[in-house]
Amino acid sequence: QLQLQESGPGLVKPSETLSLTCTVSSGSISSSNYYWGWIRQPPGKGLGWIGSIYYSGITYYNPSLKSRVTISVDTSKNQFSLKLTSVTAADTAVYYCARARGGHYYYMDVWGKGTTVTVSS
Amino acid sequence: DIVMTQSPDSLAVSLGERATINCKSSQSLLYNSNNQNYLAWYQQKPGQPPQLLIYWASSRESGVPDRFSGSGSGTDFTLTISSLQAEDVAVYYCQQYYSTPCSFGQGTKLEIK
Repeated sequence: QLQLQESGPGLVKPSETLSLTCTVSSGSISSSNYYWGWIRQPPGKGLGWIGSIYYSGITYYNPSLKSRVTISVDTSKNQFSLKLTSVTAADTAVYYCARARGGHYYYMDVWGKGTTVTVSS
Repeated sequence: DIVMTQSPDSLAVSLGERATINCKSSQSLLYNSNNQNYLAWYQQKPGQPPQLLIYWASSRESGVPDRFSGSGSGTDFTLTISSLQAEDVAVYYCQQYYSTPCSFGQGTKLEIK
């Protein structure tokens, strides 16, 4: 059964760069018709789509974050990554990686457990 | 961007009773060329990631109990739990994927009465 696992620092200082990696196991990140995305959930709030990537490297970003976000893929490691620059307290959230079925902004059928990132000095 | 609005924000239902959650989109999610509504529903239990329940507005994901059903078209959609079980206590979200960026409703918290 496909599994996703987020990893990265749980604490990031304001103005610095948040970096997370999602490792895909029991399946290939290079599967056609699936996209790999990042979603975040601020404490006590709802879900927000950050962006996604296809195994070929084509990326799609939420325009609200586009100037600060980079998503990349490493098919040899079956991983994809998120970088978010110039973070502020508003970027404090649980960050999930997920697989989207059929389209880069489509419904997400497999999710990682999530990792909490706090932005604080 | 498409705005998704759920109602109610919270809901308390007795065990074995029907629970109904509504989701309204700011524009139609029906794609005429394939007659599909680009709407999904998720369940999120405390401390867990969201779990996909329904996609294409009414298609149940594999492994999801058949007491969960989705309906609606265009801008108005409903998630129905036919007979509430204790394990259904969660927050439920709708998501549109008609256009990018995809967007979620604010969530509906379902509790036992």
